[in-house]
Amino acid sequence: AQSVTQPDIHITVSEGASLELRCNYSYGATPYLFWYVQSPGQGLQLLLKYFSGDTLVQGIKGFEAEFKRSQSSFNLRKPSVHWSDAAEYFCAVRNTGFQKLVFGTGTRLLVSP
Amino acid sequence: AAGVIQSPRHLIKEKRETATLKCYPIPRHDTVYWYQQGPGQDPQFLISFYEKMQSDKGSIPDRFSAQQFSDYHSELNMSSLELGDSALYFCASSLGDRGQTGELFFGEGSRLTVL
Repeated sequence: AQSVTQPDIHITVSEGASLELRCNYSYGATPYLFWYVQSPGQGLQLLLKYFSGDTLVQGIKGFEAEFKRSQSSFNLRKPSVHWSDAAEYFCAVRNTGFQKLVFGTGTRLLVSP
Repeated sequence: AAGVIQSPRHLIKEKRETATLKCYPIPRHDTVYWYQQGPGQDPQFLISFYEKMQSDKGSIPDRFSAQQFSDYHSELNMSSLELGDSALYFCASSLGDRGQTGELFFGEGSRLTVL
């Protein structure tokens, strides 16, 4: 069964510093990969997605992610973090067809002044 | 652009009561998914429907049932509510596999509080 691992439960970054959130997946073929962000009590907002092609994908709010097949990873990055980026970030994976989206356990990002 | 609509947005029930959540997918989307997100947890898949038939089943309690209607909207029925059912319930829709995008579009969620 496919699974997603986000090894960091919490990460604290200083405002203006760079950010990298880790995500590893377990699946035989190349799945669809997603990053979502969720503010407390709010819905899930899609940041970016990877289906195929260029392994570096750009998303909203200045985020990008790189798919590395050899490492089964899809890490999220941002060069300069803003205080408004503080939220919960979920990596998710889905294979083709009607299959469900499987979420990682999430990483809570805290931004310090 | 039209999004996934969920109602009600907030719901408060007593233990052992029944609750019904509704989901209206994006027009022309034929697949609906239900997720449950407990406090501090990641969203857990409950059940999905494609063309009004159940397509996949996850960790949905036997006390819960769901269906997709002819207009593609879906309802999640929860009976004998327990305190542990308090959660944010998300609905998502997609074009099944025909859309070739692989993307699920999520609603804003329905927050259920069981007292």
